[in-house]
Order: sequence, then structure tokens, then C-alpha cells
Amino acid sequence: QKEVEQNSGPLSVPEGAIASLNCTYSDRGSQSFFWYRQYSGKSPELIMSIYSNGDKEDGRFTAQLNKASQYVSLLIRDSQPSDSATYLCAVKIPGTYKYIFGTGTRLKVLA
Amino acid sequence: EAGVTQFPSHSVIEKGQTVTLRCDPISGHDNLYWYRRVMGKEIKFLLHFVKESKQDESGMPNNRFLAERTGGTYSTLKVQPAELEDSGVYFCASSHEETQYFGPGTRLLVL
Repeated sequence: QKEVEQNSGPLSVPEGAIASLNCTYSDRGSQSFFWYRQYSGKSPELIMSIYSNGDKEDGRFTAQLNKASQYVSLLIRDSQPSDSATYLCAVKIPGTYKYIFGTGTRLKVLA
Repeated sequence: EAGVTQFPSHSVIEKGQTVTLRCDPISGHDNLYWYRRVMGKEIKFLLHFVKESKQDESGMPNNRFLAERTGGTYSTLKVQPAELEDSGVYFCASSHEETQYFGPGTRLLVL
């Protein structure tokens, strides 16, 4: 089992819809979780960090964390074509500053 | 505030040659990280500096890779001699605390 798993996609959603991106992780002791967006050929750009169970909202983005089920998700409301990118889930290894990444989910928002 | 910068953006070398990658972190960030993404795989941790000290180099693949951060500012990652499997995108990231900010990467192709 991979340490951080994401569906590679592509996930296609129509413009204006909600895009739901999921990530599961294997280390039950993990406490810090991050979502990055990466456009092709560009640097990963931090969207959200989440540390506590529940929802965290920032504009059109909502991160959801469920430590009991070991998953973290990212919801994008009112999806725009400019949201088309690869979304990377990263989990910090407890006691270190090391991140473990998933392979990323490619999102396509169709105009 | 300037982000993380990396040089060069692309490098094409032959097997057996030496390549040196450079990373300039965000000013004031004591933590500097190197990661690598090979084709089709997830981004993987290579090592972590705190100022000029190597805090964690558990991800370095072998002794052909040498990272330095003299003076605790910019860092270099040297690959000598390069092998075909070293091809990929090398990302640098920096942080003040645990949230990491990534550079655009250096795309290395070893022929």
C-alpha cells in the first residue's frame, strides 16, 4: 500500500460544478496535511493546509480531514477552467519536516 | 516577496557527466528541502537542511548525489556521475516552519 494515495484521474467536471478530490494516507500518526495545485511545467502552489478533523474553508476551496478514516479531501466550488491542473496531496511525517506526496489527481474543468 | 528560485530550468547531459543544480530559498527561511519527481511517479523527498546543516538526508538515492548549503543561504545539488535513471524534475522548497513553498523545478534529462 502506498503511503499517500490519490486517484490519478483525469477528473472531468463542468464549469460551475463542485470538484471533489480525495486522498488517503497510511500513517495514523500523521497530523499535518497539505493540498498543492500544480499547473503543467510549473511549481506546486500551496492551496490549503489542514491539521484538525472537520472542514476548513478558504474562498472556493474547502479541505476536509477525517483522521479516523485516514482521508483528506479538497472540494472546489464553482469550478472554473482555470482550476484545471494537477492537485497534489502531501502528508507531513510526524516528528520530521519531510512530506510524502501522492501522485496527484489531474482535474479538467470543461467550459 | 520573491519565491523560491531554481537554476537552471532545464539541463540535458550525457550519462557520466556532472550536473549542479542551484536553489535560492525565500529570504529568511532556515529550512530548505530537495525533492525529485521521476516520470509517472510521485514527488519524493531527498533531503532537508536547517541553515547549513543537513537535518535529514534519508531520501538521497546514493553517493553520486551531493547537496551543500554553505552559509545557510542558497543550496546546490550535484550529481556526479549522472546516470539515466537520474532524469526527472528536481524541486527545491523552503519553509520558515512546516509549510513548504516550492520552486519551479529543474528538469534534468540524462541521455
